[in-house]
This record gives sequence, C-alpha cells and structure tokens, in this order.
Amino acid sequence: NAGVTQTPKFRILKIGQSMTLQCTQDMNHNYMYWYRQDPGMGLKLIYYSVGAGITDKGEVPNGYNVSRSTTEDFPLRLELAAPSQTSVYFCASRPGTSTDTQYFGPGTRLTVL
Amino acid sequence: AQSVAQPEDQVNVAEGNPLTVKCTYSVSGNPYLFWYVQYPNRGLQFLLKYITGDNLVKGSYGFEAEFNKSQTSFHLKKPSALVSDSALYFCAVRNPSSAGNMLTFGGGTRLMVKP
Repeated sequence: NAGVTQTPKFRILKIGQSMTLQCTQDMNHNYMYWYRQDPGMGLKLIYYSVGAGITDKGEVPNGYNVSRSTTEDFPLRLELAAPSQTSVYFCASRPGTSTDTQYFGPGTRLTVL
Repeated sequence: AQSVAQPEDQVNVAEGNPLTVKCTYSVSGNPYLFWYVQYPNRGLQFLLKYITGDNLVKGSYGFEAEFNKSQTSFHLKKPSALVSDSALYFCAVRNPSSAGNMLTFGGGTRLMVKP
C-alpha cells in the first residue's frame, strides 16, 4: 500500500491564483481530513469527510473548498490564494471506527507571494 | 469540548538519558489518546495509542506512554534518548462519543537530543 499520497510536494502561487491540492489513499478508509500547519505551530483542521459525497467544515475552512466523489480521493481547492494561506497542508485518513489510527500524507508546502 | 495541552515548547535531553514529553488532556468520558512524531519536512507518523487496558502503552522506536486518569495525563517516555529522536512530537485525544470521532491535537513539543 502506498498509504496517503499528496501532490504536489511544493508549490508557489501568486496572490489571486487558484489551485487544487490532491490527496489519495489506497487503504479504503472512510474518513479523510485536511489540515494546515503554520510554521512552529500545531495542526488546524480545514475540512473533513466521513465518506464519499459527505464533507464538513473544520476549524479554519474559509478560503478553501473540498469535494469527495470517490472513497480514494479528497482534493482541496484554494480559490483566490492569499499570503495567509502560506502553510504546509497535510491530508489524513482513517477507517472510521472510534479506536482506529489516523494516517497522514507527506504534506504539500504552499507559498503564496 | 476536548483539548490537549503540551506545556513545553521544547525539551532538551542528552543522548543516553531518559526523556519525557508531557501531555495533559480534557475530555468528557473515556479518552482515546495518541502520540505522533514529525521529522523535518515529513508528515506525522503514528507512535502509539491508548484505548483501554494497561496504563503503560508501548509503541514504535522504543517509546512508551503512561496513561494517568486521575492526573488526566499521557506523558511520552523513552529510557534512553537517541540523537535521531530529535523531532516534533504531538499528543492527540479523541472522544469516542463525539460526532465524527475527531482527533484534537496539542501544539507540539520539539525534542532536541544532544550528543
């Protein structure tokens, strides 16, 4: 299993541009998450999904959108990029039972200039 | 609401010495507790978790953690630190009764192990 994969690894955007961060998991996990990690800080939840077709907002959803058309994929869309969105973005997944373990992707480092 | 506190931003330890990274939590009901490690420019890696049973949980890379219900703590420990243990460590809590069974993370503790 490749686990949780994310593309791209790095990206530089100009203010106002848009992009999609890709996340794919091959573990047939129901739950998927997007977090952002600012320098020297902990993780903040952006959006999450408990299954295909179901998404919900986390702590910091403004400026982002998600979709979940398949179990495997959970893309994160940035519209009108702003410098405040400069961060490292992590995708994660878990099967969906209360005792399970959450697994993280390697991250996407995004800089908005 | 659930929360996690990691009171130390950084812990410095000499190689070969025991290490402790502290974590306290607040949650209604019985907590499920997790430790993750993040090496530079990498994602979070699962170390260990406490669900139920023995209060001392053993995990990857020689780490262990002790669940203390009365002190609402879940400190991470290792008997003999290695320089390669230097990384950022996150404690997390899950309330199994909460909607979505969300993990709440602490702010992280940077562990520096010096030769």
